[in-house]
Amino acid sequence: EAGVVQSPRYKIIEKKQPVAFWCNPISGHNTLYWYLQNLGQGPELLIRYENEEAVDDSQLPKDRFSAERLKGVDSTLKIQPAELGDSAVYLCASSSNNNEQFFGPGTRLTVL
Amino acid sequence: AQSVTQLGSHVSVSEGALVLLRCNYSSSVPPYLFWYVQYPNQGLQLLLKYTTGATLVKGINGFEAEFKKSETSFHLTKPSAHMSDAAEYFCAVSYSGGSNYKLTFGKGTLLTVNP
Repeated sequence: EAGVVQSPRYKIIEKKQPVAFWCNPISGHNTLYWYLQNLGQGPELLIRYENEEAVDDSQLPKDRFSAERLKGVDSTLKIQPAELGDSAVYLCASSSNNNEQFFGPGTRLTVL
Repeated sequence: AQSVTQLGSHVSVSEGALVLLRCNYSSSVPPYLFWYVQYPNQGLQLLLKYTTGATLVKGINGFEAEFKKSETSFHLTKPSAHMSDAAEYFCAVSYSGGSNYKLTFGKGTLLTVNP
């Protein structure tokens, strides 16, 4: 069974540019999570989807961050415009009703 | 608010020695507790979890953890370290008993294993 797929794995952009990350969850997993992991820190939840619905986006900085999960499968997280402080690893995870979250390898973003 | 404290951002052991990674949580209600491992440039992998029942939980790769309510702790141990155990370890807590949950992670402990 394929795991959670994320792309790109690495991205380098200049500040004020837009950037997008893509996540393909494990087949059949209805819940999808986006986490932000700063260097030397644990992951922090940005947004959680149940199928197509964002059920917890309280930690998502909505002035520059947006996310979507059309058709309740793949998801895209966007930052526009990016700031220096956005440099981090962006992790995607998915789960089904058995509670365990499976994580993808992450996208490492560097903003110059 | 729930929180997790991992004592020691970096732990170094010799191969074959005991591994002990510490985790304490703050909670006013019974928590669900997890340990995840993260190898370089990879996502997090679940090692073990405590939800209810037996307080000593066994996980993959020979790791185990014991939930001690009186000490609000969930320390991770392994009797004999192997070189392949070198990675970063995260303790996490959740309070949801539903089908999905929100995890709050500690800051992580980097484990190095010396030959």
